[in-house]
Amino acid sequence: AQSVTQLDSHVSVSEGTPVLLRCNYSSSYSPSLFWYVQHPNKGLQLLLKYTSAATLVKGINGFEAEFKKSETSFHLTKPSAHMSDAAEYFCVVSERNTGRRALTFGSGTRLQVQP
Amino acid sequence: GAGVSQTPSNKVTEKGKYVELRCDPISGHTALYWYRQSLGQGPEFLIYFQGTGAADDSGLPNDRFFAVRPEGSVSTLKIQRTERGDSAVYLCASSLQGDAAEAFFGQGTRLTVV
Repeated sequence: AQSVTQLDSHVSVSEGTPVLLRCNYSSSYSPSLFWYVQHPNKGLQLLLKYTSAATLVKGINGFEAEFKKSETSFHLTKPSAHMSDAAEYFCVVSERNTGRRALTFGSGTRLQVQP
Repeated sequence: GAGVSQTPSNKVTEKGKYVELRCDPISGHTALYWYRQSLGQGPEFLIYFQGTGAADDSGLPNDRFFAVRPEGSVSTLKIQRTERGDSAVYLCASSLQGDAAEAFFGQGTRLTVV
């Protein structure tokens, strides 16, 4: 079975400071991992994905994440937060090589960006 | 269409009533997914269609929930005898083939059962 744990339900940072959103995963197989963002009243948007290629993955809007198998982690980072980054972020795991198509979402981290 | 379209955007219904939620996927996408997002939670998988058939319905919570996709395009999620616990945002996503990682999500239907 696959699961993800987002270690912080809320994160607050000041504009211009670094962002770190933490995610640990559990998977019986080699997982694919993703980060999605959800702005209020908007659909889920894929930020980045890891699918067994490079362990450091770069996404949109300056976000990146590093897959660390030894730590079963896939933390999301950004060097400098912008006001527009305020949103809900979801860490997601998929066991694609099992043929199962479902994505398993974490419970989300709400990012607040203070001016 | 340009994106995944879900209608209605909001639905309020009385406990015990029947509801239908509609999803129009991106044109040409053969795979379609339904998820349910309860307040303060991440989306939970309900069902996956490849073409007209339900390839994985393991996430449907009970037999009050049913979904169809008769022509391999539009899908309808049907909930019978609604309960207050069914209140949630129901999300639809579609992908060109069966890669869930390449899925595009709609904005969801917010269902409130009173």
